[in-house]
Order: sequence, then C-alpha cells, then structure tokens
Amino acid sequence: AQSVAQPEDQVNVAEGNPLTVKCTYSVSGNPYLFWYVQYPNRGLQFLLKYITGDNLVKGSYGFEAEFNKSQTSFHLKKPSALVSDSALYFCAVRDGGGSYIPTFGRGTSLIVHP
Amino acid sequence: NAGVTQTPKFRVLKTGQSMTLLCAQDMNHEYMYWYRQDPGMGLRLIHYSVGEGTTAKGEVPDGYNVSRLKKQNFLLGLESAAPSQTSVYFCASSRGLGGPDTQYFGPGTRLTVL
Repeated sequence: AQSVAQPEDQVNVAEGNPLTVKCTYSVSGNPYLFWYVQYPNRGLQFLLKYITGDNLVKGSYGFEAEFNKSQTSFHLKKPSALVSDSALYFCAVRDGGGSYIPTFGRGTSLIVHP
Repeated sequence: NAGVTQTPKFRVLKTGQSMTLLCAQDMNHEYMYWYRQDPGMGLRLIHYSVGEGTTAKGEVPDGYNVSRLKKQNFLLGLESAAPSQTSVYFCASSRGLGGPDTQYFGPGTRLTVL
C-alpha cells in the first residue's frame, strides 16, 4: 500500500522569506514523488517530481524539493517566497514497483503575506 | 493543444436528477482519471481508465459510473444525484507507459446538488 501525509493544513510565510511545505510518504518499493500546485478556481499543475538520482529536485517557478529516504520525506522549498506563490499544494506518491495510480495528500494551503 | 478540457464548468442539479460530465484530452494519453475535491479531504479518486474500453474503481466509486468508449474521452455519470455529491470534479490524464507518470488536470466542474 502507498500513502502520503501533509502534516500542515496551512503554512504562513512573509514575502521574501524561505518557505517549506512538508510531505512524508510510505511505499513498499521505490517511490516516485510529485508536487502539484492549485491556484484558486483552477486545476492542479505539475511542479516537480523525483524519480531517482540527485536528492534535490528543481522545478517550476523557483521551487525545489528535497528527497530524504531515511526520513521518507519530500519537502517542497523555495528560497524567497512571493505573494503570487499563495496557493494549495499537493504532494503525491506512486510506488515504482506497484500500481500506476498515485495517491495524493490532503493539500497544504500556502499563504504568503506582503 | 488544449490539453485536458471538461464540460460543463458549472452545474446545479436537484436530488435524483442525472447528468454526465465529459472529459476530453488531446495528448493521446492512455490513462484517464476522475477525482472529486472536497474541503479538507484533498483529492479522492472516483474511477480511472488505463486504456480505451477499460475502467476501474478508485477510492470513492459509489454513486458514479464511467465510460471510455474513445481514447480521448472519459465520461463520468451520476445516475441519481445526491447532496453528498456536491463537489468540484477534476479529470486528469497521463501517458500511462510506466515510470513516473505526470498527470495533467482539467479546469474542474463545480457541481451543486440541491
């Protein structure tokens, strides 16, 4: 079975400060990990994914994520937050050796204050 | 390319009425998915399809039916709508050729059942 947890319903950060949105996962095989972003009244958009290799993955809009196998985490980060980053962020996991269907977390609302 | 489109964007139904939501993709993707999004619940998979003519149940299939008669279309049906089906519905597609498959989402359909 596969599962993913986003422990924070909401993250607040001031513009210009670094941000972190947390994600932990559980799979029986090797994980494929994804981050998606949802702006108000829109569908989800792909940000980045981890397959294998370098633990630091760079994605769209200046976001990056760090894969940590020992802590089973895949936290989303950005060095300097923008007000326009305010959105709902979803982490997803797929077991590389199992089902092709990913499991999504419940989402974390990121609010960047001016 | 239009990507993934959904019809209609909004709909209000009375309890017991039926309706069909249409999802279309122009990326020649094998896999298609229907999700519902409710506050605090994240994305929940209703049904999915791994190819033309095939469908499978997801996490919350009760009260819904689907069909995939053409590769580019995935229909979601509500035979007898209930207030509990008030939600935002998202369709997604992916290549489905194995590996870390990125999903592409439609803009969503906001359904209210009175």
